[in-house]
Amino acid sequence: SQTIHQWPATLVQPVGSPLSLECTVEGTSNPNLYWYRQAAGRGLQLLFYSVGIGQISSEVPQNLSASRPQDRQFILSSKKLLLSDSGFYLCAWSVGWSGGAKNTEAFFGQGTRLTVV
Amino acid sequence: TQLLEQSPQFLSIQEGENLTVYCNSSSVFSSLQWYRQEPGEGPVLLVTVVTGGEVKKLKRLTFQFGDARKDSSLHITAAQPGDTGLYLCAGVEESGGSNYKLTFGKGTLLTVNP
Repeated sequence: SQTIHQWPATLVQPVGSPLSLECTVEGTSNPNLYWYRQAAGRGLQLLFYSVGIGQISSEVPQNLSASRPQDRQFILSSKKLLLSDSGFYLCAWSVGWSGGAKNTEAFFGQGTRLTVV
Repeated sequence: TQLLEQSPQFLSIQEGENLTVYCNSSSVFSSLQWYRQEPGEGPVLLVTVVTGGEVKKLKRLTFQFGDARKDSSLHITAAQPGDTGLYLCAGVEESGGSNYKLTFGKGTLLTVNP
């Protein structure tokens, strides 16, 4: 079965410090990968998505970057955190196709609660 | 990027009541999904609707996709406290092959009081 791991679960970082959040998927190959940010109790804002190794699409200009060094690894980074980077970050994957039919269901990790102080 | 508007943003009802949540866009989506999210966890898919006018039922939940594939609704019959959570709709934008992305609405935060 497929699983998604996202860590750490919570993180408190000072302003100006670097950031690295990691997400890995097991049990599938060539997944679509996504990073979302969610404000408290509200909707998800798509930050980055990737359809393959080294292929990153950015949705919102910001202080963050993403990388996909391996097929099932997706990393969210920042060189210098801002207070406005605080939030709940969610990694997700989708298979794209399964059993000959398009399957767009997204499977989410448990999220990382980032607080920038 | 296409936008999705959800209404209402917040809804607090008593157990046993019925409710409807709406998801609207000015753009057409190839399909639309509904997710439910509990505090501190990631969203979990409830249903995907693909065809204009499609209606899907999941126990007490009824999902409908608009004829023009621009809007959707979620109706819950006889709500229970276990239905409490954040309900999110997500539109699928395709860009060819297996390339697509999900655009989420801001969600409806539902509280069902016993």
